[in-house]
Amino acid sequence: AQSVTQLDSQVPVFEEAPVELRCNYSSSVSVYLFWYVQYPNQGLQLLLKYLSGSTLVKGINGFEAEFNKSQTSFHLRKPSVHISDTAEYFCAVSYLDDYKLSFGAGTTVTVRA
Amino acid sequence: DGGITQSPKYLFRKEGQNVTLSCEQNLNHDAMYWYRQDPGQGLRLIYYSQIVNDFQKGDIAEGYSVSREKKESFPLTVTSAQKNPTAFYLCASRRDRVNNEQFFGPGTRLTVL
Repeated sequence: AQSVTQLDSQVPVFEEAPVELRCNYSSSVSVYLFWYVQYPNQGLQLLLKYLSGSTLVKGINGFEAEFNKSQTSFHLRKPSVHISDTAEYFCAVSYLDDYKLSFGAGTTVTVRA
Repeated sequence: DGGITQSPKYLFRKEGQNVTLSCEQNLNHDAMYWYRQDPGQGLRLIYYSQIVNDFQKGDIAEGYSVSREKKESFPLTVTSAQKNPTAFYLCASRRDRVNNEQFFGPGTRLTVL
């Protein structure tokens, strides 16, 4: 079974500072990788995804992530955060041709002025 | 606009009662999913359906039941057998196997009194 580890449960950050959210997964076979964002009491919204090709993936709202196969990681970054980036962020993984996603426990980002 | 709707947004239930959560999608997606979200635990898969009249148990199916009589609808029943049903429930759908992205509804918060 897939296992996804988000290494930080809480990340406080000042406005306009950079942020990195770490995600590691267990599988050594080919996978699809996703980052989702959840604002309070809402559903999940896709930030970005890696299916194949370039290892640097750009998403919405200025986020990007880098796929590192040798380290089985998919860390999410943003060079300058805004107050509106305060939310919970989930990393998710699936095998190719699998209908299921495995989610990490989530990282809560709190942006302060 | 295409999307996923869940109703109600908030639901209160007395112990010992069954309750059904609604999930409807007009995205023409074949696969649909139900997740349970608890603080600090990420999303856990309850049931999923790849096609009409077919569904499979996820990781935490005990105390839940589903049906898939129409492509657009995937209701979840939380039965009295579910020992700790208070949680946030999310419904999702998936476009196809090539693009493994899941789209999420806004969620239903269930509280057992």
